[in-house]
Amino acid sequence: ELKVEQNPLFLSMQEGKNYTIYCNYSTTSDRLYWYRQDPGKSLESLFVLLSNGAVKQEGRLMASLDTKARLSTLHITAAVHDLSATYFCAVASGTYKYIFGTGTRLKVLA
Amino acid sequence: EPEVTQTPSHQVTQMGQEVILRCVPISNHLYFYWYRQILGQKVEFLVSFYNNEISEKSEIFDDQFSVERPDGSNFTLKIRSTKLEDSAMYFCASMGYLNTGELFFGEGSRLTVL
Repeated sequence: ELKVEQNPLFLSMQEGKNYTIYCNYSTTSDRLYWYRQDPGKSLESLFVLLSNGAVKQEGRLMASLDTKARLSTLHITAAVHDLSATYFCAVASGTYKYIFGTGTRLKVLA
Repeated sequence: EPEVTQTPSHQVTQMGQEVILRCVPISNHLYFYWYRQILGQKVEFLVSFYNNEISEKSEIFDDQFSVERPDGSNFTLKIRSTKLEDSAMYFCASMGYLNTGELFFGEGSRLTVL
């Protein structure tokens, strides 16, 4: 059964710093998604990664996918307070099932 | 921009009561999902639905749960006899494009079982 793990679970960082969140998964998949969740809110789609080596960037966030290593990274560049949220990766297991990672709660300190 | 809508936003019920959570997926989407999130925890897959039948379900989705698409627009999740541990946020999602497989989520329905 597909398992998806993220680390770290909690991340507190200073504004202006860089950091990377890791998403590891246990079985073969070539579709991976990153979502953002603000407290008490829904899941907002950030990135869709559909092949090995895929890289997507939006503002201060960049996501990549290595299907051979079963690893995706979400890199944060020069963090700002507005990026404070919980970030989830989700891995597709066939068409009909998406398994979410454990989530990384990010807090950016001014 | 098209969106997934869910009702109610919050429901409080007594243990043992039946609850129906409703979702209106994006209109041209064909694949529908229910997830739940216990407060502060991970997002758990419950069930997926395509072509008027369940495609996959998790071990959480036992006989107390059912889904249906009664009228071609609504997609409902029914919990027959709620338990305390059913208290959670329930998210509906729909997907329309197999080439990307991107899920679009509703705002969620918070269920509190007393």
